[in-house]
Amino acid sequence: QKEVEQNSGPLSVPEGAIASLNCTYSDRVSQSFFWYRQYSGKSPELIMSIYSNGDKEDGRFTAQLNKASQYVSLLIRDSQPSDSATYLCAVKTSYDKVIFGPGTSLSVIP
Amino acid sequence: DTEVTQTPKHLVMGMTNKKSLKCEQHMGHRAMYWYKQKAKKPPELMFVYSYEKLSINESVPSRFSPECPNSSLLNLHLHALQPEDSALYLCASSQVEAGGAGELFFGEGSRLTVL
Repeated sequence: QKEVEQNSGPLSVPEGAIASLNCTYSDRVSQSFFWYRQYSGKSPELIMSIYSNGDKEDGRFTAQLNKASQYVSLLIRDSQPSDSATYLCAVKTSYDKVIFGPGTSLSVIP
Repeated sequence: DTEVTQTPKHLVMGMTNKKSLKCEQHMGHRAMYWYKQKAKKPPELMFVYSYEKLSINESVPSRFSPECPNSSLLNLHLHALQPEDSALYLCASSQVEAGGAGELFFGEGSRLTVL
């Protein structure tokens, strides 16, 4: 089992819709979870971090964490074409070790 | 503007060359990282330095040699690389908190081509 898994893409949504990205992880002791956005040819950019069970909202982005289910998600409301990118889920599995999932490619269709 | 700066942005080298990638951060972070990223793959952890000491080496071949001269600088020395080492090399930094590493902040990367 891979340490961090994400829903397979590519994911296509129409402009203005909600995009839902999912991530599961295998290490039960993980405490820190991150979502990164990566445009083609660019480096990853941090969107959200979440550490406690529940929801965390930042603008159009909402991260959800369920440690019991070992599940993290990212919702993007009112999706825009500029949101088209690869979204990487990252998990801190032990002190100083941050592991990335395979990524989900999102296309927002105008 | 990124506060993690990597040089060079592009590097082409032969298999017998010796070169170095450099990374500098001005965020006051005490943990620094090297990741390797191949096309359409996620970043893959190579090395972690915490308080200028190597804390994690993910079984990286010895042809890659990291160095952390001080808390702001991180180098990756390259020698006798193989064509399959061609990739985007990403440097990142983070705070070191009570619970361990915090959020990673990445530089723009150094794109390496080995001929």
